[in-house]
Amino acid sequence: DAGITQSPRHKVTETGTPVTLRCHQTENHRYMYWYRQDPGHGLRLIHYSYGVKDTDKGEVSDGYSVSRSKTEDFLLTLESATSSQTSVYFCAISERVEQYFGPGTRLTVT
Amino acid sequence: GQQLNQSPQSMFIQEGEDVSMNCTSSSIFNTWLWYKQEPGEGPVLLIALYKAGELTSNGRLTAQFGITRKDSFLNISASIPSDVGIYFCAGQPGAGSYQLTFGKGTKLSVIP
Repeated sequence: DAGITQSPRHKVTETGTPVTLRCHQTENHRYMYWYRQDPGHGLRLIHYSYGVKDTDKGEVSDGYSVSRSKTEDFLLTLESATSSQTSVYFCAISERVEQYFGPGTRLTVT
Repeated sequence: GQQLNQSPQSMFIQEGEDVSMNCTSSSIFNTWLWYKQEPGEGPVLLIALYKAGELTSNGRLTAQFGITRKDSFLNISASIPSDVGIYFCAGQPGAGSYQLTFGKGTKLSVIP
């Protein structure tokens, strides 16, 4: 399995607070992705990165920002968390089309 | 945007039975991927298909890339309890991007 870790694995936070989720890889893959998974919607792309400092928006990017200062780390920030951002967040990495997923972070915004 | 229609949404089968599920789209895809997700974990890549008409096996799993490039099928033979999970299809819409479009999943339950 690809070496991908996500932290934290679980988080409960209050509406209006900023939250940062971290994805760390040991595979030296060029591409990294952040998805959210919600019942009835499947996996939806939030942001992705195609290299250090190179990022772009996905399908559901509003309210989220990302940063990638090193190949191995991709950070997802919820600038001011809302209840609609309660979800399970997955990071994925790829060198080509095949994407490999991390274990996920369950975020609850109260 | 492009959408993948995955069916069935859920299925209950007896242990030992064969399973079939599929993904269809109105758009053409360059690559098809099949993932399995177990509760509390991330999706795990099962099979990747790269050419129209391609048939690929991985143990008891067999997947096919439809000849029209608009669909893909996954079959599981002789199901066992550990096959339980959600199976997702994913397609690569264009050769110039590695972004994937995901189906909403087929939830498989196996009755021992």
